[in-house]
Amino acid sequence: GQQLNQSPQSMFIQEGEDVSMNCTSSSIFNTWLWYKQDPGEGPVLLIALYKAGELTSNGRLTAQFGITRKDSFLNISASIPSDVGIYFCAGQETSYDKVIFGPGTSLSVIP
Amino acid sequence: EPEVTQTPSHQVTQMGQEVILRCVPISNHLYFYWYRQILGQKVEFLVSFYNNEISEKSEIFDDQFSVERPDGSNFTLKIRSTKLEDSAMYFCASSAGTGVYGYTFGSGTRLTVV
Repeated sequence: GQQLNQSPQSMFIQEGEDVSMNCTSSSIFNTWLWYKQDPGEGPVLLIALYKAGELTSNGRLTAQFGITRKDSFLNISASIPSDVGIYFCAGQETSYDKVIFGPGTSLSVIP
Repeated sequence: EPEVTQTPSHQVTQMGQEVILRCVPISNHLYFYWYRQILGQKVEFLVSFYNNEISEKSEIFDDQFSVERPDGSNFTLKIRSTKLEDSAMYFCASSAGTGVYGYTFGSGTRLTVV
């Protein structure tokens, strides 16, 4: 089946630093998604990417949909303590299809 | 902002018992989903539901599981004869069918099987 891999598994950074995390897939997706999950909560969508090569920003977050449609990255600039959480990349075939999640990157921000 | 509401937030059940997890999707959404997240692991798709029937299910969704939309507002996941390994967070999601920003997850039900 479709599998996503994320790197790194975990990150410990100082407040104010920039963060970069990656995601690769064993197959092509039409839509790439990045979610954040806080403890005890459901995933919250951060950014959605629809076209190969697309670069999209949402505040301090920037994500790109790889040209091959099998990878994506997420950058967070000037990290703050509330950025702490688990970041999941995910793929989707259509807007009403199931969402396939990666294993997540755990981000810790040291004040 | 519209929300997907799940109840209860935490349920503890004895092994072998049946549990029903409840969800109220966003009112104008047409597609409904259940996902599972075992502690410390990724979120896994269980089942999708559209037009009063299952549209897709994963290999996790075996005969132990069933879903129902008993009325116009609720969407339930029933787990028969629970096992210890069913302990997980269960997330409901709903979608309008167009535009990925309409695909919304609930806050989850933490199921603990003892």
